[in-house]
Amino acid sequence: DTGVSQDPRHKITKRGQNVTFRCDPISEHNRLYWYRQTLGQGPEFLTYFQNEAQLEKSRLLSDRFSAERPKGSFSTLEIQRTEQGDSAMYLCASSPSDGQNTEAFFGQGTRLTVV
Amino acid sequence: GQQVMQIPQYQHVQEGEDFTTYCNSSTTLSNIQWYKQRPGGHPVFLIQLVKSGEVKKQKRLTFQFGEAKKNSSLHITATQTTDVGTYFCARAPRGATNKLIFGTGTLLAVQP
Repeated sequence: DTGVSQDPRHKITKRGQNVTFRCDPISEHNRLYWYRQTLGQGPEFLTYFQNEAQLEKSRLLSDRFSAERPKGSFSTLEIQRTEQGDSAMYLCASSPSDGQNTEAFFGQGTRLTVV
Repeated sequence: GQQVMQIPQYQHVQEGEDFTTYCNSSTTLSNIQWYKQRPGGHPVFLIQLVKSGEVKKQKRLTFQFGEAKKNSSLHITATQTTDVGTYFCARAPRGATNKLIFGTGTLLAVQP
């Protein structure tokens, strides 16, 4: 399967715990994005990587959130001291670096439930 | 950034009926993309429009970009149960990141 893969698919955690999600983008894609989606809403941009450089972070990304893409391949998103409001689907997407082509390929997401 | 508004929020049709969703922006868009998200699934890219007045077709789906590049529409002819899902428009603001700003989405239900 050459699509974007995310792990885990589901995560249930207790409030206050830390969680980490992983995203493996399509191998030839330099651009990697994290989005968050809550029920009935469209995905909201969280952060963007061009290769290993994190070039943009949304104001939605509080200081409890950190994302890395250490070797310019896979990426991790960590949430520290989870809160119930963090419950959402976390989507990773990748796209080629061709400036004309902005199509995003989404993974199946990690659904986080904070109890 | 400016959110893109979509109408309607929800549409219920009988199989075989047509369906249209509209995407509106108060500012000029450099481009518009359309995605489909099946229930429980992830967004899947359908099309990108960049030119004023552009019309593109994919089988029963027709996509339009307004002359002023402030609105777009997706029309499905003769809906099928496989068309069920939420249709999102999304804009990519000018800049280096190509991040997407998604619309509010239209949920389509098709009754057999």
